[in-house]
Amino acid sequence: NAGVMQNPRHLVRRRGQEARLRCSPMKGHSHVYWYRQLPEEGLKFMVYLQKENIIDESGMPKERFSAEFPKEGPSILRIQQVVRGDSAAYFCASSPPGQATDTQYFGPGTRLTVL
Amino acid sequence: AQSVAQPEDQVNVAEGNPLTVKCTYSVSGNPYLFWYVQYPNRGLQFLLKYITGDNLVKGSYGFEAEFNKSQTSFHLKKPSALVSDSALYFCAVRDINQAGTALIFGKGTTLSVSS
Repeated sequence: NAGVMQNPRHLVRRRGQEARLRCSPMKGHSHVYWYRQLPEEGLKFMVYLQKENIIDESGMPKERFSAEFPKEGPSILRIQQVVRGDSAAYFCASSPPGQATDTQYFGPGTRLTVL
Repeated sequence: AQSVAQPEDQVNVAEGNPLTVKCTYSVSGNPYLFWYVQYPNRGLQFLLKYITGDNLVKGSYGFEAEFNKSQTSFHLKKPSALVSDSALYFCAVRDINQAGTALIFGKGTTLSVSS
């Protein structure tokens, strides 16, 4: 049973470019969470999605960031016009439907470096 | 507002000695509590969680944690540390009354086990 998959593992972008981060949840999981880990800090929640729905995006920056989880395919976190401050590790987690008791299982992360 | 505090940035123990990594939390309702471990350049691995019931929770790799409601704490423990336990440990909380919401993480504690 494959775990949460994220790609790419490392991504380098120049300022002003777009970054696309992909996350495939564990089999049978329909809930996806994105977190960002800045250097020397813990993980900060960004957005919570179910298939075709954004449930909670209270942690997303208001501009340049967007996320989707289509009916088919992986969840995508998109960062437009990247800036150096976007350099961080971005983690995706997935869980089964509906219970607050459910454990979130994390992927290996995508480490974004903005030059 | 929900929050998690890990008061120690780093914990140093000798191999074979018991270890404790501290965590305190603040939520408006009853908490769900989690511990994760992160090895360098890897994603977070789930160790254990407290939902309800016995205050002493046993998890992976010989770790356990004790839920103390009066002290709002959920300290991670292991009777005999291994060098391979050296990693970054995160405590996280979720409010029991809010199904499906994100985990709130502490800043993490680096555990260093010396041989």
